[in-house]
Amino acid sequence: EPEVTQTPSHQVTQMGQEVILRCVPISNHLYFYWYRQILGQKVEFLVSFYNNEISEKSEIFDDQFSVERPDGSNFTLKIRSTKLEDSAMYFCASRSSAVENTEAFFGQGTRLTVV
Amino acid sequence: ILNVEQSPQSLHVQEGDSTNFTCSFPSSNFYALHWYRWETAKSPEALFVMTLNGDEKKKGRISATLNTKEGYSYLYIKGSQPEDSATYLCAFPTGGGNKLTFGTGTQLKVEL
Repeated sequence: EPEVTQTPSHQVTQMGQEVILRCVPISNHLYFYWYRQILGQKVEFLVSFYNNEISEKSEIFDDQFSVERPDGSNFTLKIRSTKLEDSAMYFCASRSSAVENTEAFFGQGTRLTVV
Repeated sequence: ILNVEQSPQSLHVQEGDSTNFTCSFPSSNFYALHWYRWETAKSPEALFVMTLNGDEKKKGRISATLNTKEGYSYLYIKGSQPEDSATYLCAFPTGGGNKLTFGTGTQLKVEL
């Protein structure tokens, strides 16, 4: 069965360093997302991406964050200068359409720890 | 701010018990409600996408109902097994369906 894969599964980084989280969405999906869950809090939306551009972003997704689909298969989330409060589980997801009744397929997540 | 709430936050049951938990969501501008199961170290996996008021969906021992007029959905597990231990998340599509707003999750632990 097709699946979304994320690498790495864990990343520890020093505050102020740049990190890139990688995702390979399901190959025939067109809509891509990043969500995150800070420990003890709700899963929250960061950004959606369609047709090689951001279609929507949340207030969390400030100038420190960027997304890219560099080669038609990978979908990356870059955090330019990490802060302690960026520590969270980051999930990539993909969907075949953005219609409300279309399920999302999630990766297993990357646990980012900023020290 | 969109309020999607789940209760209880956590639940411990014995193997063989049946259990249920709730997701509440805004009843206006309803299009769909998603349920996901998230086992530790695995991907959250879609269980159901509910769209019609009064809908009931079933997958094995797990079923879900939907009341869009009052803004809630129940998830039922019949005869819980240890492999049902997971966090169950509901999510409400917003932004024209482009993003999901998640509830707090219900963490279920099924003990032998």
